[in-house]
Amino acid sequence: RKEVEQDPGPFNVPEGATVAFNCTYSNSASQSFFWYRQDCRKEPKLLMSVYSSGNEDGRFTAQLNRASQYISLLIRDSKLSDSATYLCVVTPRFSGGYNKLIFGAGTRLAVHP
Amino acid sequence: EAEVAQSPRYKITEKSQAVAFWCDPISGHATLYWYRQILGQGPELLVQFQDESVVDDSQLPKDRFSAERLKGVDSTLKIQPAELGDSAMYLCASSFLLGTGGKETQYFGPGTRLLVL
Repeated sequence: RKEVEQDPGPFNVPEGATVAFNCTYSNSASQSFFWYRQDCRKEPKLLMSVYSSGNEDGRFTAQLNRASQYISLLIRDSKLSDSATYLCVVTPRFSGGYNKLIFGAGTRLAVHP
Repeated sequence: EAEVAQSPRYKITEKSQAVAFWCDPISGHATLYWYRQILGQGPELLVQFQDESVVDDSQLPKDRFSAERLKGVDSTLKIQPAELGDSAMYLCASSFLLGTGGKETQYFGPGTRLLVL
């Protein structure tokens, strides 16, 4: 079983739509959680951290459910520029200061006019 | 805005040849990471440095891969000999502090896309 699992998609949505991605992780001791965005043939870039209380950044809302070991990302009012692959990322329990990122395979989003 | 530099951006080689990739992290970043990303998958950590020391190379295929960061600044990842399955994007990342409970942001370079024929 993969440590971080995501639906690969693609999610094809029209502009203005609301879309949600889920991600599950297997290690209950995981400590930190993130969503990264990766454009085609580009490097991953941090979109947002995910906190237990949930957090919002403009049109993006991230939620963490530790009991069920899943993370979600909600995008409201989708824009063409949101088209990308969204990577769910966790870090294992802090041990010796190793800031290791464990990536899911990503969920592809395509926003069309 | 400071960036992680990588070169070359693209590399085509034949199997059994040697290849090397270079990374220059953001100035002042003590921690440097090399990841491999196979098409359709997420990046996977190969090796992590804190200054010039390796702190995690558990996923590095040590029979053919080597990495060094001699002066604790830039780093080189080498593959010898290259195999067909090594075709992937090799990403370098850096972060400022280690030991902050996993909250330290990693900044990625543009990657080196390797094709082994």
